[in-house]
Formats: sequence, structure tokens, C-alpha cells
Amino acid sequence: AQSVSQHNHHVILSEAASLELGCNYSYGGTVNLFWYVQYPGQHLQLLLKYFSGDPLVKGIKGFEAEFIKSKFSFNLRKPSVQWSDTAEYFCAVNNAGNMLTFGGGTRLMVKP
Amino acid sequence: DGGITQSPKYLFRKEGQNVTLSCEQNLNHDAMYWYRQDPGQGLRLIYYSQIVNDFQKGDIAEGYSVSREKKESFPLTVTSAQKNPTAFYLCASSIKYNEQFFGPGTRLTVL
Repeated sequence: AQSVSQHNHHVILSEAASLELGCNYSYGGTVNLFWYVQYPGQHLQLLLKYFSGDPLVKGIKGFEAEFIKSKFSFNLRKPSVQWSDTAEYFCAVNNAGNMLTFGGGTRLMVKP
Repeated sequence: DGGITQSPKYLFRKEGQNVTLSCEQNLNHDAMYWYRQDPGQGLRLIYYSQIVNDFQKGDIAEGYSVSREKKESFPLTVTSAQKNPTAFYLCASSIKYNEQFFGPGTRLTVL
């Protein structure tokens, strides 16, 4: 069974700091990769996704993620965080014919 | 306005009672899902359905049941057999194997 690991459970940053959240998965075949975000009191929503093509994916609100197949990783980045980025972030993976598997989530707090 | 609705937003249950959580979508998606969210554990799949009148168990189906009589609706029943039902429950839908769209969730508390 595939698994997804998010190594940072809690991250605290000051505004304007750079962000990188790690995501590693276990499945060796073709995968689709997603980052979701859950802002306080809001729906879980899609930040970005990778299916194929350019491994550097741009999402909403200035986020990007890089798929590194050799490292089984799909890390999320943002050059300069804002207080409004405070949220919980989830990495998710599916392979063809399988369901989404979610990581345990990373809670990000950005201090103003 | 397309989307997924879940009701109620908060639900309280006494021990030994069954409760049913509602999930409705008007996105014309074939697939629907139920997840349970617990702090530090991410989302865990309870049940999913890829077509009307068909559904499969996810990773943590014990103590839960579902039905899929209509494309738009996928209710989840939390039975008295579920030993630790207090959690946040999320419903989602998708075009098959594509990105999932989530509802606002139902927070269930057992008293």
C-alpha cells in the first residue's frame, strides 16, 4: 500500500520568511500528486497538482511544488509567506486506479 | 452555485446511538468519498463510491455504513459499533481519480 509522509507537523515562521514543506511518498509507479490547504474554518481546497509534464508546478497564492521522481518527493514552497497563509497543509498522492492517500498534515503558523 | 454541502455542521451523539451525516453534491461527479480527520493523522478514507448503487470500504470502514441511491447523495451512518467516533468528517467528490472537491465538514462529538 502506498503511504505519504509529511515530516514537519508544526511550522512557525515570521512574515516574509521562505517556506518549504516536505512530502515523500512510497509508491514507485506513475503517480498524481496534490497539495491541499485547510484555512481556519474553511473547506479543504486544492493548492496545486501534478499529473505529468514540467515537474515544477505553480499553484494559487504564490505557492509552487517540485516533483523529484528519484527522491519520491513533492515539496511545497513559497518564497515569502504572509500571515494569511496560516493553515494546515496536506500532501496527497494517487496512482492510476487507486484512491488518494493523504499525509498527516503540517500546521503552519505565520507570525505577523 | 456548484459545490458540496454537508449537514449538520455540528452533531452530538449519545453512546449507543446511530447517527447519519448528510453529503450532497451538484457537481455531476460520479465519485464520492467519506474521510475522517483526526489531529496529526491527516485524512483517512472511510468509504468511497464510484457509481450509483456501488461503494467500497476504505481504510477504516469498521463501524460505518453508507448508501449511494442517487448520484448527488452519499450519506454516512456512524453506528454504535464505531468505538471512537468523535472526529471531523469530510465528504468529497471527483471526476474519477482526479482532484477531489471537499465539503465543509461535520464535527461529531460523542457525549
